[in-house]
Amino acid sequence: IVMTQFPATLSVSPGERVTLSCRASQSVDSNLAWYQQKPGQAPRLLMYGASTRATGIPDRFSASGSGTVFTLTISSLQSEDFAVYYCQQYNIWPPLTFGGGTKVEIK
Amino acid sequence: EVELVESGGGLVQPGGSLRLSCAASGFTLSTFEMYWVRQAPGKGLEWVSHIHYSGTPIYYADSVKGRFTISRDDAKNSLYLQMNSLRVEDTAVYYCARDLGWHDAFAVWGQGTMVSVSS
Repeated sequence: IVMTQFPATLSVSPGERVTLSCRASQSVDSNLAWYQQKPGQAPRLLMYGASTRATGIPDRFSASGSGTVFTLTISSLQSEDFAVYYCQQYNIWPPLTFGGGTKVEIK
Repeated sequence: EVELVESGGGLVQPGGSLRLSCAASGFTLSTFEMYWVRQAPGKGLEWVSHIHYSGTPIYYADSVKGRFTISRDDAKNSLYLQMNSLRVEDTAVYYCARDLGWHDAFAVWGQGTMVSVSS
């Protein structure tokens, strides 16, 4: 299953609302996760089951979708949210597949 | 505290071998699905291998099948990745990761270990 994320880069000001998109080449039901990765760090799980926040993730992060179209929303972007975000499907595997990532950068 | 710590990375020539280790603490490795994921410099994430909590099945990405072997030592609570016939394109940071327990999402990650394949 090919995962496609868009846009590749988002230029955003702190405090703005951000929506990231992820599309699967075939249905993955709700078996989709989102990760955040900052430079020099390992990825961190944000969401699983398409819309469930992982432990310790602030509620400004939300996600939705099922089937082939998914979104991750950050309601009010904080300085620590500038990072690369990846989606990943775990519905039909192997292989487990990631999207190419969306970089959220400061405008 | 739940933690994964990788080691064993380094510089190796094409065709060479390396063995990566991932030491788990704060949980029993054999009760979770475990994975290796890699990231080439400046690139995205690529799943490499998986071992079921029971020990089987084991899966590999096509790009490493026949060259890499995942294994586990329950007594040491450690995961391994034996990498043979290394290629330049295997150059990456290698992460071990653990699933949630009820979803195959990567809930716990190590800090990563760098593997560089170059002559």
